[in-house]
Amino acid sequence: EDQVTQSPEALRLQEGESSSLNCSYTVSGLRGLFWYRQDPGKGPEFLFTLYSAGEEKEKERLKATLTKKESFLHITAPKPEDSATYLCAVQNIQGAQKLVFGQGTRLTINP
Amino acid sequence: ETGVTQSPTHLIKTRGQQVTLRCSSQSGHNTVSWYQQALGQGPQFIFQYYREEENGRGNFPPRFSGLQFPNYSSELNVNALELDDSALYLCASSLGLAVTGELFFGEGSRLTVL
Repeated sequence: EDQVTQSPEALRLQEGESSSLNCSYTVSGLRGLFWYRQDPGKGPEFLFTLYSAGEEKEKERLKATLTKKESFLHITAPKPEDSATYLCAVQNIQGAQKLVFGQGTRLTINP
Repeated sequence: ETGVTQSPTHLIKTRGQQVTLRCSSQSGHNTVSWYQQALGQGPQFIFQYYREEENGRGNFPPRFSGLQFPNYSSELNVNALELDDSALYLCASSLGLAVTGELFFGEGSRLTVL
């Protein structure tokens, strides 16, 4: 059974303090790994797709990386508006119609 | 371009009742997926509809059922509500059967079962 575990559950940073969020996964055949951002009371918003180990994607202050067992979401010099829950999900080659999500990391950036 | 819209946004039901949640997919998208998100948890896949046919189902009992209409909008029906059904129900649309993982989510319907 595919599994995704995210750590830490919650992270509080000062504005400008860089850090990383971890996503560990187990999947029989990885089709893709995805990062989403979710603001309180909203649906998740797509950020990145990673398909193979060694791949990296960047968007503004965020960079996502992928290995064969885990993915990291690096946040550089964060701002208060980066506060949100960040969700990681995997898509299996078989049963590709569904995403299996982790429980998320709740990130708070203090000004 | 119209995004994914869901209704109602909030509702309260009692145990044993039935509920219908509605979703209008993003313009041009023919695939709709439904997810259940309990408080503090990640979304869990319920099922997916493609061109009015169910195309995959997660570990949810048969009292969770759905429909997709010719205009690609969708409904989620839950019968015999239980307390554990209290959650945020998310609809997501995408283009095509080969889901890229790039799902476009609505803001969800918050269901409380008393």
